[in-house]
Amino acid sequence: GAVVSQHPSRVICKSGTSVKIECRSLDFQATTMFWYRQFPKKSLMLMATSNEGSKATYEQGVEKDKFLINHASLTLSTLTVTSAHPEDSSFYICSASPGQISGNTIYFGEGSWLTVV
Amino acid sequence: GDSVTQMEGPVTLSEEAFLTINCTYTATGYPSLFWYVQYPGEGLQLLLKATKADDKGSNKGFEATYRKETTSFHLEKGSVQVSDSAVYFCAVKNTGFQKLVFGTGTRLLVSP
Repeated sequence: GAVVSQHPSRVICKSGTSVKIECRSLDFQATTMFWYRQFPKKSLMLMATSNEGSKATYEQGVEKDKFLINHASLTLSTLTVTSAHPEDSSFYICSASPGQISGNTIYFGEGSWLTVV
Repeated sequence: GDSVTQMEGPVTLSEEAFLTINCTYTATGYPSLFWYVQYPGEGLQLLLKATKADDKGSNKGFEATYRKETTSFHLEKGSVQVSDSAVYFCAVKNTGFQKLVFGTGTRLLVSP
């Protein structure tokens, strides 16, 4: 079964509104989670590293104020797309790892399809 | 930084054909190498991995060998099925880090 779960799997929102996507580690604690974005027919691009209890680390070119990341607990990270626009429509996916106990295996969530209309 | 180069797709094959998807990487140190698969409408699933040179990862009939001398990790399958139609991503991860660097993905289309 899934060890990393995302919610919602699909969301449609109106332009200008904000939408929150959750990423949960189900059977383990994750001090670090990663958020990726996949453009149509393109690869997954790392957006940011979510750090429990501290600020996220964003990749170059990713707007911090637009993509708010909160890692409030060891099992939950959230990505909030603020003031969404149609160009933010994409597939967002998170990953986490239990660390050395799992051989550093990385698990991905099911992904979240965001459509901004 | 680390990078991965994959062959452009789509790759179109008939059922039972032999599959090769090329992947080369650049990375410092001793990275681990991965192949992930994304079926239509789904998230990523780990297909196979190799953690050191000359290791062969295998799963569901797919194989890939970690070739340090050529910095390659080509994915192969002897006989593809229609159900193998998906996007395949090659990825590299450096030791001690959880960050994955992905290739652009290769779409495989298998027809009956």
